Amino acid sequence: EAGVAQSPRYKIIEKRQSVAFWCNPISGHATLYWYQQILGQGPKLLIQFQNNGVVDDSQLPKDRFSAERLKGVDSTLKIQPAKLEDSAVYLCASSPSRGPRRGYEQYFGPGTRLTVT
Amino acid sequence: AQSVTQPDIHITVSEGASLELRCNYSYGATPYLFWYVQSPGQGLQLLLKYFSGDTLVQGIKGFEAEFKRSQSSFNLRKPSVHWSDAAEYFCAVGAGFNKFYFGSGTKLNVKP
Repeated sequence: EAGVAQSPRYKIIEKRQSVAFWCNPISGHATLYWYQQILGQGPKLLIQFQNNGVVDDSQLPKDRFSAERLKGVDSTLKIQPAKLEDSAVYLCASSPSRGPRRGYEQYFGPGTRLTVT
Repeated sequence: AQSVTQPDIHITVSEGASLELRCNYSYGATPYLFWYVQSPGQGLQLLLKYFSGDTLVQGIKGFEAEFKRSQSSFNLRKPSVHWSDAAEYFCAVGAGFNKFYFGSGTKLNVKP
């Protein structure tokens, strides 16, 4: 079974530029998550999708971050314009279910390491 | 508010020695608790989870963890560490709507 795919793996941009990350979840997984992991910290949830609808985006900085999941499969996370403090690893995860307990069965991709200079 | 504390940022153990990584949590209800491992350049891999029942939980790669409600702890243990266990370990609390609250991680180094 193929895992969660993410691209690119690394990205370096200057502040005020824009950037987009792509995620392809495990086939059949209805729930998709984007996390931000700043160096020295644990991952923090940015947004959660159930199929192509947003379930939780309470910690997404909506003035500069946006995400979509068209057709309930692939997802894109965008930052525009980027700030220095956005330097982090962006992890995508997917889950087969959103129900109790099984919703915590999350499979993580390798992440995209973003450096903003 | 939910929070997870991993008091040890770095730990170094000798290969073959035992290991214990500490995790304390703050959560108002009965917690769902997890340990993940992250190797360099990799995503997080689930080691084990606790939902209810037996407080001693067995996981993959020979790891186990014990839930102690009175101490609000969920410490990870392994009786004999292998060089391949060198990685970063994250403890997490599962809260409503399948949301994780992660600790800041413990980096494990293994001496030959």
